[in-house]
Amino acid sequence: DARVTQTPRHKVTEMGQEVTMRCQPILGHNTVFWYRQTMMQGLELLAYFRNRAPLDDSGMPKDRFSAEMPDATLATLKIQPSEPRDSAVYFCASGAPGELFFGEGSRLTVL
Amino acid sequence: QQPVQSPQAVILREGEDAVINCSSSKALYSVHWYRQKHGEAPVFLMILLKGGEQKGHEKISASFNEKKQQSSLYLTASQLSYSGTYFCGTQQQSGGSNYKLTFGKGTLLTVNP
Repeated sequence: DARVTQTPRHKVTEMGQEVTMRCQPILGHNTVFWYRQTMMQGLELLAYFRNRAPLDDSGMPKDRFSAEMPDATLATLKIQPSEPRDSAVYFCASGAPGELFFGEGSRLTVL
Repeated sequence: QQPVQSPQAVILREGEDAVINCSSSKALYSVHWYRQKHGEAPVFLMILLKGGEQKGHEKISASFNEKKQQSSLYLTASQLSYSGTYFCGTQQQSGGSNYKLTFGKGTLLTVNP
């Protein structure tokens, strides 16, 4: 049963700490997205990759967020330093045009 | 450009119908619909492409008015399992390097017995 895997599922950290979230996309999917979900803003697109190349990261605060795909089986989203306003659920999704498969999300709480 | 969904929330009794709307100020290539249950990941329902193709899912169907950049999701004879938050996602350009899917803020649908 192919699925997108995200780790960690939950993370509580203190302001100023570095946070790294990881995503394993479905094998064979060449497009990977990072979304952030909050009550106020809904699902916000942070960045996305095609064939491991970053295509758009305009939704990310550049001074603290970075996204990479070291290889086809791993996408990472890093926040350094983290702030309380970064508290949200971060979703990774992979797919081909027409259908995205979302991971279970990483719930981040920054105190 | 984030699409606008309406209504923000709707409460139904089992068996009733509902319509959820999604509109954009930009020309659209496609509209995607997803449903998210509480504490879970969004799940794909359907995609509507420029050119009028409509796709349905059980008792859920949708339409796409290209001229108005609007889409509507129709839930017929709602079931308890339809409860959740419905998101529309819009794509402004076709494939290639511009596959960017932007979601609205969602419509919370509650179906009661």
